[in-house]
Amino acid sequence: AQSVTQLDSQVPVFEEAPVELRCNYSSSVSVYLFWYVQYPNQGLQLLLKYLSGSTLVKGINGFEAEFNKSQTSFHLRKPSVHISDTAEYFCAVSDLTQAGGTSYGKLTFGQGTILTVHP
Amino acid sequence: EAGVAQSPRYKIIEKRQSVAFWCNPISGHATLYWYQQILGQGPKLLIQFQNNGVVDDSQLPKDRFSAERLKGVDSTLKIQPAKLEDSAVYLCASSLETQYFGPGTRLLVL
Repeated sequence: AQSVTQLDSQVPVFEEAPVELRCNYSSSVSVYLFWYVQYPNQGLQLLLKYLSGSTLVKGINGFEAEFNKSQTSFHLRKPSVHISDTAEYFCAVSDLTQAGGTSYGKLTFGQGTILTVHP
Repeated sequence: EAGVAQSPRYKIIEKRQSVAFWCNPISGHATLYWYQQILGQGPKLLIQFQNNGVVDDSQLPKDRFSAERLKGVDSTLKIQPAKLEDSAVYLCASSLETQYFGPGTRLLVL
């Protein structure tokens, strides 16, 4: 079984400042890693994913994340945030062994981090 | 390309009543998921379908929840009877590889 811990429930930041949202995971098997964003009253939208290869992954809207296997972390970063980045962010993992065919398998989510960007 | 569609968007019922949610996945997506998102928590998988077969329903409370995916396309999730603790957002997702989520159905049980 896997588990995901997002270390900060809320992160306030000023516009144009850098931000890091922290995510640690626990798993006895290899995993795929994901970050999703959820705007108010909307579904989840994929920001980026790590499957294999380079540990630095770039996503949409200027976000990037770095996979650190030794620390079992997948922190999300953005060098300069905008007001429009205000949303809730979810880190998730899927079990490589359960991924089958063309599906990455079921996702186990963290509890979410609310990012609030202030002017 | 049309996204994942869900209806209704909002539903208010009293405890012990029944309710049903509908999901239409992205065309061609064989895998469909239902997640429950309780306020302040991340989504939790309830059930996963591959075409019209169930892959994983280990976290579905089968005494009150049921789901089906007839013809391997649309899916319905039913709760009967509802409890107060079922108040949540019910998210449907579909995938070829990456999961794409619908807007969710927000359920309030009074």
